[in-house]
Amino acid sequence: GIQVEQSPPDLILQEGANSTLRCNFSDSVNNLQWFHQNPWGQLINLFYIPSGTKQNGRLSATTVATERYSLLYISSSQTTDSGVYFCAGPIYGNKLVFGAGTILRVKS
Amino acid sequence: NAGVTQTPKFQVLKTGQSMTLQCAQDMNHNSMYWYRQDPGMGLRLIYYSASEGTTDKGEVPNGYNVSRLNKREFSLRLESAAPSQTSVYFCASLYLGGNTEAFFGQGTRLTVV
Repeated sequence: GIQVEQSPPDLILQEGANSTLRCNFSDSVNNLQWFHQNPWGQLINLFYIPSGTKQNGRLSATTVATERYSLLYISSSQTTDSGVYFCAGPIYGNKLVFGAGTILRVKS
Repeated sequence: NAGVTQTPKFQVLKTGQSMTLQCAQDMNHNSMYWYRQDPGMGLRLIYYSASEGTTDKGEVPNGYNVSRLNKREFSLRLESAAPSQTSVYFCASLYLGGNTEAFFGQGTRLTVV
């Protein structure tokens, strides 16, 4: 099956720092999403980005489908950015495939 | 627009008891999914329904059954709960064949004692 690898697995930042999270795929993608799971366990949709670049405030994402990766940029990090970031995609056999996640801790 | 709604939000069961987790979506999505998330772990697929009338096993189906009641609703049943099924359960939906953005419910925190 298709593999989705996220890096780094863990990240600790000082408030105000920038970071880049990466998602690699073993095969071509037809759907790519980024989610944030907050400390209360809710899964929040960040970006639906099969290709190209999108920005939403301090967060932006870029997917290069031909090279099978996606990047999530967090600028000027805040403590509320803490949690787990998941990428998901592609759809393989009608199943939504997830990466293992990146745990982000932002210290004040 | 409510999105994906799961009930209940919390549940405590005794070993051997049964229960059904409910999930409903109002986005006219054709596909629905049940995942479990154990502490410090990622999401593991239990069962999914690619379209109304079909269901398929995911990675960890043992001990569970599902019913795709109609296009909106997809339920997950534990027939005889075990402590190993203590977890947080998430339901998700998306539209296969178009914009495939997935949306999740708020989760059900289940404890089996």
